Amino acid sequence: DVKVTQSSRYLVKRTGEKVFLECVQDMDHENMFWYRQDPGLGLRLIYFSYDVKMKEKGDIPEGYSVSREKKERFSLILESASTNQTSMYLCASTGGTRAGELFFGEGSRLTVL
Amino acid sequence: DQQVKQNSPSLSVQEGRISILNCDYTNSMFDYFLWYKKYPAEGPTFLISISSIKDKNEDGRFTVFLNKSSKHLSLHIVPSQPGDSAVYFCAASDRGSRLTFGEGTQLTVNP
Repeated sequence: DVKVTQSSRYLVKRTGEKVFLECVQDMDHENMFWYRQDPGLGLRLIYFSYDVKMKEKGDIPEGYSVSREKKERFSLILESASTNQTSMYLCASTGGTRAGELFFGEGSRLTVL
Repeated sequence: DQQVKQNSPSLSVQEGRISILNCDYTNSMFDYFLWYKKYPAEGPTFLISISSIKDKNEDGRFTVFLNKSSKHLSLHIVPSQPGDSAVYFCAASDRGSRLTFGEGTQLTVNP
């Protein structure tokens, strides 16, 4: 079974803090993604990566950065957290035979106070 | 600019009846469509997909219909079961693996 593991299920941070969300997949997938899920807005793509050290902006990259130093690991960084970044963050990977079939982690619920 | 829209935030059906979830899209370049299911405190999981060269794809109780002329797809669940209660997301892709998701529909199946 494909396993996508997100390091923290629940985090509470203060405005201005630096936040790291880490994601590891064990299926040697080339492609990894970070989404955020908000009520009424669905899943919105923040950043994605097709290869090590490669990154591309998604639809809502402002306020975020990413790092992919190893194939299996994709980190999302909030340099200075703000209250409007309170959300559910979902990491996903794909490399399978079915185009677009993403495998998601369980999510990280971030609250910024 | 919401390219994939699910206009119904919620849907409630009786166990054993049909559930129909709808999705509309605006981007004519989309050529692959998927449905994901999400339970609380879990990540979404892939459910079923359809290529733009087809108009129907079936997998057990789940059937997806695609109408390219109206840019509309729907997911039918027959018969609905209480375990189907979840949020369902429609998603679309244009040739690559980058997906655009809809807002989601909360399905509740009542025993």
